[in-house]
Amino acid sequence: AQSVTQLGSHVSVSEGALVLLRCNYSSSVPPYLFWYVQYPNQGLQLLLKYTTGATLVKGINGFEAEFKKSETSFHLTKPSAHMSDAAEYFCAVSATNQAGTALIFGKGTTLSVSS
Amino acid sequence: GAVVSQHPSRVICKSGTSVKIECRSLDFQATTMFWYRQFPKQSLMLMATSNEGSKATYEQGVEKDKFLINHASLTLSTLTVTSAHPEDSSFYICSARDSPRVGQFFGPGTRLTVL
Repeated sequence: AQSVTQLGSHVSVSEGALVLLRCNYSSSVPPYLFWYVQYPNQGLQLLLKYTTGATLVKGINGFEAEFKKSETSFHLTKPSAHMSDAAEYFCAVSATNQAGTALIFGKGTTLSVSS
Repeated sequence: GAVVSQHPSRVICKSGTSVKIECRSLDFQATTMFWYRQFPKQSLMLMATSNEGSKATYEQGVEKDKFLINHASLTLSTLTVTSAHPEDSSFYICSARDSPRVGQFFGPGTRLTVL
C-alpha cells in the first residue's frame, strides 16, 4: 500500500525566505510523486511531478522538488517566498504500474507568508 | 490544455433532496475520472474511480447507492448525491486522467451544503 506523510501541518515564513515543505512517501513499487497547491475554495493546481529520469524537478512559480529514493522523500522548496505563495500544499503519490490509479494524498501543509 | 470543469461550483439544498454534480474534461478525453471529497482543513479522500462505459469502483466505506456515479462519455462524469443529509456537506472535487500523460487534472470543486 502507498502512503504519504507531510511533516508539519503549518509552515510560516517571511517574504523572501526559503520555503521548505516536507514530504515522505511509502510505496512498494516505483512511485510517481506530485505536489499540488490549493487556494481557498478552489481545486488543486499541479506544481510539479516526478515520474522517471532527473530527480530534481522544477515546477511552476519557482518551486522545485527533489526525489530521494534512499530517504523516500520528495520535499518541496522555493528559494524566496512571495505573499502569493500562501496556500495549502498537498504531496501525492501514485503507482506507476497501474494505469489510471488514483492519487494518495498527504494531509496537507498550510503555508503562511508574512511581510 | 488539460482543463477540467465542474458544475455547479456551489449548491445549497434541503435535506432529503438529490444533487447532481458534473465533471467535464474540456480539451481532452478522459477514460478515467476520479471523485474526491474534502472536509474543511483536511486532505482529499478518494471516493470512487469512474471508468467510461463501466461501473465505478468505490472506495471502502463509500456508499455506492448514495453516491451514484455515471461516466457516460469520455468527457463527462456525474456524481449524484441521493437523499442528501447535512453530514454530506463537503467540498467535492473531480479529476481526470489525460492518458498517456502522467498525473491528473483537477476540477475547481463543488461546495455542497445540505440544510
